[in-house]
Amino acid sequence: AQSVTQLDSQVPVFEEAPVELRCNYSSSVSVYLFWYVQYPNQGLQLLLKYLSGSTLVESINGFEAEFNKSQTSFHLRKPSVHISDTAEYFCAVRPSNRNDYKLSFGAGTTVTVRA
Amino acid sequence: EAGVTQFPSHSVIEKGQTVTLRCDPISGHDNLYWYRRVMGKEIKFLLHFVKESKQDESGMPNNRFLAERTGGTYSTLKVQPAELEDSGVYFCASSQGRREEGTEAFFGQGTRLTVV
Repeated sequence: AQSVTQLDSQVPVFEEAPVELRCNYSSSVSVYLFWYVQYPNQGLQLLLKYLSGSTLVESINGFEAEFNKSQTSFHLRKPSVHISDTAEYFCAVRPSNRNDYKLSFGAGTTVTVRA
Repeated sequence: EAGVTQFPSHSVIEKGQTVTLRCDPISGHDNLYWYRRVMGKEIKFLLHFVKESKQDESGMPNNRFLAERTGGTYSTLKVQPAELEDSGVYFCASSQGRREEGTEAFFGQGTRLTVV
């Protein structure tokens, strides 16, 4: 079984400031890692994912996350946020080496960007 | 291309009533999943269909919940009778069939169910 811990439930941040959302996971098998975002009144959208290869992955809107196997972490960062980044962010994992499609989610981090 | 569509977007029902949620996956996606988020907690897996077959229903909370996927297309999730603790947001997701690709799951907007 897998579990995901998002250490911050609420992150207020000023526009153009950097933000980091922390995610740690626990798993007895290797996993794929994901960050999903839910903007107000919308569904979950995939922001970025780590499957293999380079441990640093990027999204098209400036977010990046780094997979750290030794620390079992997949923290999400953005160097300069916009008002439009206000949303709830979910870290998720699923096994990569079994016929198991189940995503395990963290509790979510609400990011509120203020001018 | 249409995304995952869920109906209704909101539903308010009384305790003891029956509610049916519907999910239309992305065309051609064999995998369909139901998840639920209760009261700001984690999004939890309910079950997984591969085409019309239930692959994994380990997350279904009890026998008041019944999921079907007739013909391997759309899916319904029926709650009968509904209880207060069933309130939450029910998400549906779909993905293509090849596990090796690490294929992402595409989510719908969710159905917010309130049981009063």
